Formats: sequence, structure tokens, C-alpha cells
Amino acid sequence: NAGVTQTPKFQVLKTGQSMTLQCAQDMNHEYMSWYRQDPGMGLRLIHYSVGAGITDQGEVPNGYNVSRSTTEDFPLRLLSAAPSQTSVYFCASASTSGRTDTQYFGPGTRLTVL
Amino acid sequence: GQQVMQIPQYQHVQEGEDFTTYCNSSTTLSNIQWYKQRPGGHPVFLIQLVKSGEVKKQKRLTFQFGEAKKNSSLHITATQTTDVGTYFCAGPRRAGANSKLTFGKGITLSVRP
Repeated sequence: NAGVTQTPKFQVLKTGQSMTLQCAQDMNHEYMSWYRQDPGMGLRLIHYSVGAGITDQGEVPNGYNVSRSTTEDFPLRLLSAAPSQTSVYFCASASTSGRTDTQYFGPGTRLTVL
Repeated sequence: GQQVMQIPQYQHVQEGEDFTTYCNSSTTLSNIQWYKQRPGGHPVFLIQLVKSGEVKKQKRLTFQFGEAKKNSSLHITATQTTDVGTYFCAGPRRAGANSKLTFGKGITLSVRP
């Protein structure tokens, strides 16, 4: 049981390039989300999904797209990278049933946009 | 919208000292969760509090949920260098939407040996 996995761990992009951050979970969780973490800003929700085929925007969605074609995968796409998107990105998953809704975080992707 | 506040953002203690931090919500919460992030790591779930006035302990860590369910505290007894990291509290954005959490900005604890 690998939990939540993210690839790549590190990435450097030039302004204007596009890329996809991968996230996968093997816990059959319905809920998945993407956060970015910047110094002094805590964890800010970018996009989330409550199940396959369903996605919605969080606090800071601009510049990012997501899709959820399967329960396991929730990729985050940067269409045209900007220096303001330099950050650490965390994917998380949670079960929407049961008494607790613990979020399980992946190890993160450290992205630098030059 | 709902806000979850943690102030201050940084605290430095001497090893062996006690440490307490607080989390305040602008709205009543159905539950509150605490996470810990070690330097260079990812947030890891510590505990969830659900009932008004609930107190839970994990070894030297004591968590409390306020009577009005709008605030929470984390107390660490006799801090150790292994307690270093950032502690986040988080609450559901609205009743019934437990999986969509609002996180506080966190408090980063450093411990002087």
C-alpha cells in the first residue's frame, strides 16, 4: 500500500512552459485535492475532486487545470508556467465515508519557474 | 468565508520547556484536525477532535477542542528536538463537507538543544 504518490519530486521550468504534476493513490479514496505551500501562506487549496468525473475550484485555481478520469489519479496541469507558480505542491486524498476524514498527503513536488 | 487562524507563525523554545499553541476559527466547526510537517516533509495527520470540550493525548502532546467548537489548542510537555516542525490545524469548510478542509497558516516550532 503506497498511499499517495507524486511525481516528479523536483522540477524546473521556464516561463511559458507547460507540464503535468502526477498524483496517484491506492486507498480507493473518493476525495482528492491539490494544495500549494508558500512561505508564510500555509496550505492553499488549488482544485479538488469528490469522485471520478467531478472536479471543482479551490482558493487559488487560476493557471491550473485538473481532471479526474479514474478514482486513483488526479493530475494537475500548468498550462503556461509563471514565476508566481514557484512553490511546493502537495496532493492529498481522503475517504468521504466513516467517522474521520483524515487527509493523506503525498511527498510533494518542488517546482521552480524561471 | 471561513477562516482558521494560527498566531504566531513561529515560536522558539528551549528543549525541556512546555509549548502551547492555539487555533481559532471564525465559524463553529464540526471537527478540527491537527497535522505536523517536519522540515522538508509533508503534512501528516496527528489527531481529530469532534466533541465540544474534548481532550485527547498522544504521549507528550495534549489536544483540546473548545466548548464552543471555535478554537483548539495543542500543548507539548517538555519539548524535544523531535518536536521540531510546523503544526497546522484544519477545519471543514462547511458542515457535511468534512473532506474539504481550511488550513491555518501553521506555527513553526524550533527547539534549542
